Amino acid sequence: ILNVEQSPQSLHVQEGDSTNFTCSFPSSNFYALHWYRWETAKSPEALFVMTLNGDEKKKGRISATLNTKEGYSYLYIKGSQPEDSATYLCAGKDDKIIFGKGTRLHILP
Amino acid sequence: ETGVTQTPRHLVMGMTNKKSLKCEQHLGHNAMYWYKQSAKKPLELMFVYNFKEQTENNSVPSRFSPECPNSSHLFLHLHTLQPEDSALYLCASSPEGGAETLDLNTEAFFGQGTRLTVV
Repeated sequence: ILNVEQSPQSLHVQEGDSTNFTCSFPSSNFYALHWYRWETAKSPEALFVMTLNGDEKKKGRISATLNTKEGYSYLYIKGSQPEDSATYLCAGKDDKIIFGKGTRLHILP
Repeated sequence: ETGVTQTPRHLVMGMTNKKSLKCEQHLGHNAMYWYKQSAKKPLELMFVYNFKEQTENNSVPSRFSPECPNSSHLFLHLHTLQPEDSALYLCASSPEGGAETLDLNTEAFFGQGTRLTVV
């Protein structure tokens, strides 16, 4: 069974600062890794889907890297803005999608 | 708007009631999921349907009964729930069909969830 861990659980970041957080997963039986952003009162929305070791994806100020051999992915946010406040979910996928507990990001004005 | 709609958004029910949650997707997806999120826990997969066939029941108590009449609609029938079943129930869909056509590059699309309170 795929077990996905995220850290930290919660994070406070000053507006304008950059930050990153981690998702770890068993490196065996790995198929794909997903990152989702979940804003309060909204649906989780996919940010990235990553499948290849060494993958690096970018969307605006947000980027992610993947290391399937050691079983981790990092999500980076450059120059944090208030609208980045959300819970960031990592999900591993073998034959179904399994989620971590998420990292709750608070951007301080 | 993700293309996945859940109703109702909020539901309060007594332990002896019977109610149903509804999920509808207009994305042409073949797979639909029910997830549960309790306080301070990760999203927990409950049920998976592929091509209207249930492919996963993740040890969910029988007081939760899913139904998938077609690939666009998914229901979760609730009967004699307990207070600890109070949670956010999320529906999701993705393009997957059978295992032979599993597409690893596709994400899940979520509804906004039903906040269920059992009293």
